[in-house]
Amino acid sequence: EAQVTQNPRYLITVTGKKLTVTCSQNMNHEYMSWYRQDPGLGLRQIYYSMNVEVTDKGDVPEGYKVSRKEKRNFPLILESPSPNQTSLYFCASSSSGLAGDTQYFGPGTRLTVL
Amino acid sequence: AQSVTQLGSHVSVSEGALVLLRCNYSSSVPPYLFWYVQYPNQGLQLLLKYTSAATLVKGINGFEAEFKKSETSFHLTKPSAHMSDAAEYFCAVSETGRRALTFGSGTRLQVQP
Repeated sequence: EAQVTQNPRYLITVTGKKLTVTCSQNMNHEYMSWYRQDPGLGLRQIYYSMNVEVTDKGDVPEGYKVSRKEKRNFPLILESPSPNQTSLYFCASSSSGLAGDTQYFGPGTRLTVL
Repeated sequence: AQSVTQLGSHVSVSEGALVLLRCNYSSSVPPYLFWYVQYPNQGLQLLLKYTSAATLVKGINGFEAEFKKSETSFHLTKPSAHMSDAAEYFCAVSETGRRALTFGSGTRLQVQP
């Protein structure tokens, strides 16, 4: 089954404790992206990647890091999480990342930073 | 950059009634337009998308949306609501040169029995 998977689905942590949220897709997509969803704001893009070793900032990149060492994986790293990063995070992928390309979303990771 | 406005953060309809969820975008250049649905505790699922092939776009689960350039709108409709339609709906746009979807703030649809 074609899908985007994320782990963990739920995470509670404390301020300053480094964490990684994994994302994997099995559709051989070139493009992958991370979004965060906050009430009343919709989804906002954090980082994206057009291909292996090619990443770029989205609209809200502060406090996050990403890497793309393999085509299928795109982990999101919070090196020193803060309470304002409490949010619902979605990974997405599409075949090319071009306008009009359908993005497929993972199930989400709900992060709480105390 | 584009902006997307969804009028009404909450919409409540009776089962069997018409569903109308509103979406307006800001650009004078027609972008690509999407509607996604998010069921509780799930990710976003594509309902339909507009890519300039036809102004009336049919999607899954009986939903459709009409692109109106003169009104910069892409409203989502369904003739008869079902209880299973209760979810949050997001309108989104993508534009050439921008590697992200721009989302509206979402509309939560409640279906009353």
